[in-house]
Amino acid sequence: EAQVTQNPRYLITVTGKKLTVTCSQNMNHEYMSWYRQDPGLGLRQIYYSMNVEVTDKGDVPEGYKVSRKEKRNFPLILESPSPNQTSLYFCASRAIEQPYNSPLHFGNGTRLTVT
Amino acid sequence: GENVEQHPSTLSVQEGDSAVIKCTYSDSASNYFPWYKQELGKGPQLIIDIRSNVGEKKDQRIAVTLNKTAKHFSLHITETQPEDSAVYFCAASKTDSWGKLQFGAGTQVVVTP
Repeated sequence: EAQVTQNPRYLITVTGKKLTVTCSQNMNHEYMSWYRQDPGLGLRQIYYSMNVEVTDKGDVPEGYKVSRKEKRNFPLILESPSPNQTSLYFCASRAIEQPYNSPLHFGNGTRLTVT
Repeated sequence: GENVEQHPSTLSVQEGDSAVIKCTYSDSASNYFPWYKQELGKGPQLIIDIRSNVGEKKDQRIAVTLNKTAKHFSLHITETQPEDSAVYFCAASKTDSWGKLQFGAGTQVVVTP
């Protein structure tokens, strides 16, 4: 089954404790992206990657890091989480050969709480 | 950059009635407008999209209309059913942004039996 898998689904942590949210896709997609979803703000892009070793900032990159060492994986790293990073996070992927014929496939989300 | 506004933020409809969600965009160069549906506990899923070279597209009970002059597009759901209850997001993108999507804030649709 074609899917984007995020782990963990729920995470509660404390301020300053480094964490990683993993994302893996099995569709051989070149493009991967991280979004955060907050009430009243919709989905805002954090970082994206066009292919292995190619990453770029989205609209709200502060406080986050990503890496793309393999095509299928795109982890999101919070080096020193703060309470304002409490949010619902989504990883997404798509093929880029035909961008307008290739929808974004989303994972089921990671609910992060930073106390 | 592109700014997408979506209204209303919540929408309650009786089963069988129609629901309409409206979005406006700011960048006249945007040429692709998808709609995503997010069910509880899941990620958003594409339900319909429209490109700037057409004014309307239908898929069974859902339809999308686009007015390029006014820079707004709408989602129409007819004969609503309880399974239509979800959060709906509109989005916009353009050719030279490698398909980067700018999302609206979302509309919570509740269909009551």
